[in-house]
Amino acid sequence: GAGVSQSPSNKVTEKGKDVELRCDPISGHTALYWYRQSLGQGLEFLIYFQGNSAPDKSGLPSDRFSAERTGGSVSTLTIQRTQQEDSAVYLCASSSGQGVTEAFFGQGTRLTVV
Amino acid sequence: QKEVEQDPGPLSVPEGAIVSLNCTYSNSAFQYFMWYRQYSRKGPELLMYTYSSGNKEDGRFTAQVDKSSKYISLFIRDSQPSDSATYLCAMREYYGNNRLAFGKGNQVVVIP
Repeated sequence: GAGVSQSPSNKVTEKGKDVELRCDPISGHTALYWYRQSLGQGLEFLIYFQGNSAPDKSGLPSDRFSAERTGGSVSTLTIQRTQQEDSAVYLCASSSGQGVTEAFFGQGTRLTVV
Repeated sequence: QKEVEQDPGPLSVPEGAIVSLNCTYSNSAFQYFMWYRQYSRKGPELLMYTYSSGNKEDGRFTAQVDKSSKYISLFIRDSQPSDSATYLCAMREYYGNNRLAFGKGNQVVVIP
């Protein structure tokens, strides 16, 4: 596709349920990022994938959060046993590689935990 | 102290005014400095970036970086209603991981 695609665009889930958020990066982009944006909190880094290197997971807030990237393309962010404080917009971005400054963002998945 | 500080207060200006936004940071390893613009319910999009200290101009937009003060600015001249958006500063190190550290963003409203 022409840009970064995220699905679903909106997700409402009950507290305690698991959710999966999907990101389709721009074709050929080797770098992929997940960020979380809460009201008034800016963008919080979660995880970064670069090619076949081990991902940088330093931003994941707890072990309930995990992410994988299959075949160097599509990525899935999984949140287990969701809590109300997980409610936020989850943004995915991709870029064409290390040293490249521009990251292209998707429109995000708005997660609401009730 | 957060790595990147951006006073998140909203800003309302009349059309044609100059908008001034700024961020401070604490990590002296930051080398790339960016401004992203985010419209409501959209993902951020890159507006401008600069490498190290200096100024960069692009149309009505000017970005300034002062590494000695760890301070970056964005100026929007002759502001238009279409400039109404949230502006986020972002920065990253040259070496090391490629995560972008963001400020909290400023919501700018340009009143016609």
